[in-house]
Amino acid sequence: DVKVTQSSRYLVKRTGEKVFLECVQDMDHENMFWYRQDPGLGLRLIYFSYDVKMKEKGDIPEGYSVSREKKERFSLILESASTNQTSMYLCASSNTGTWAGELFFGEGSRLTVL
Amino acid sequence: SQQGEEDPQALSIQEGENATMNCSYKTSINNLQWYRQNSGRGLVHLILIRSNEREKHSGRLRVTLDTSKKSSSLLITASRAADTASYFCATKVSAGNNRKLIWGLGTSLAVNP
Repeated sequence: DVKVTQSSRYLVKRTGEKVFLECVQDMDHENMFWYRQDPGLGLRLIYFSYDVKMKEKGDIPEGYSVSREKKERFSLILESASTNQTSMYLCASSNTGTWAGELFFGEGSRLTVL
Repeated sequence: SQQGEEDPQALSIQEGENATMNCSYKTSINNLQWYRQNSGRGLVHLILIRSNEREKHSGRLRVTLDTSKKSSSLLITASRAADTASYFCATKVSAGNNRKLIWGLGTSLAVNP
């Protein structure tokens, strides 16, 4: 059974803290994505990666960075968390051959920044 | 930017009834996908329909695509309480080497027992 695992379901951090959100997939997928989801705004793409060490900015990359050192792992980093980064963060992956196809999502990480 | 727009935003029906949700988009697409999200969880892929397809079925799901009207519909037949969730459409635009999907804001479906 295919799986995308996000390290934490719920996190509470303080303003200014550095936050790491980890995502691991076991499907040998080339592409990995980080989204944030907010009520009324839907899913917004933060960053995506189509290969190890490769990354591309999505629609809202400001305040975030990413790391893809291994194919199965894609990390989202908030260098200095702010309250407006309180959100649900969703990681997803897809196969290069079907990169325009099905995305597999993790269960999400709900981050609260106080 | 959100290309897909789902309609209605919210839908409440009784168990056993059919639920229809619509998605409209603006630009030419390669494919359109429907996803489901239970409250507080990740999204699950339901069905993908390509631009050269008009209708697709999967179990109790039926998806249609009308490229001339730039719209799609998702029909869930004989709904169950477990179908209560949000449903999202996502489009893969056909222009360029765009690897991104463009998402709608979703339809919230409540199926009452």
